[in-house]
Amino acid sequence: GESVGLHLPTLSVQEGDNSIINCAYSNSASDYFIWYKQESGKGPQFIIDIRSNMDKRQGQRVTVLLNKTVKHLSLQIAATQPGDSAVYFCAENPYGGSQGNLIFGKGTKLSVKP
Amino acid sequence: EAGVTQFPSHSVIEKGQTVTLRCDPISGHDNLYWYRRVMGKEIKFLLHFVKESKQDESGMPNNRFLAERTGGTYSTLKVQPAELEDSGVYFCASSLGDRIGYTFGSGTRLTVV
Repeated sequence: GESVGLHLPTLSVQEGDNSIINCAYSNSASDYFIWYKQESGKGPQFIIDIRSNMDKRQGQRVTVLLNKTVKHLSLQIAATQPGDSAVYFCAENPYGGSQGNLIFGKGTKLSVKP
Repeated sequence: EAGVTQFPSHSVIEKGQTVTLRCDPISGHDNLYWYRRVMGKEIKFLLHFVKESKQDESGMPNNRFLAERTGGTYSTLKVQPAELEDSGVYFCASSLGDRIGYTFGSGTRLTVV
């Protein structure tokens, strides 16, 4: 079936370095993608989203890149901080629009070493 | 504004028992979603309410699961009878109209023993 997956299940980085978390998706019809951050004991927290008519979108210290040719999504975190330690999920909406159910990847655990 | 609230935060029940999970969305949010994450697997969609109506329940695993949203406010998800494979974290999320992105609750961790 169609799915969203992650290349790396765990990522360990040094505080202050940049982090890159990758995600592959298989549904070419997907037009909306979201990155979520989940800290221990909490629900997924919206970080940033991107529509398929864009290649790049920037937020505060985060950038999402979308490569539709190879169906690849990445989240870049600049100057990673200990508070960035969490599990990061990518999600896609293959049904069009910004509503409707999302398909999530398995998640990547980011650990930041002080 | 208050976030999405879920109750209880944890529940441990025996196989065959009934459990009811509750979700209070952000006030005024017409869209309400239920998702769950079984250990080691992806977060999976269960169903979507628009106000009190079920918009999409394609993710509900079987008829042991019953979701309601009376009056279009809070929602309940009942599992009856619970089975071991129902263990996991159940998340609720809400959003308003066509606004992008959901707000998730902290989840209910359900353990069936």
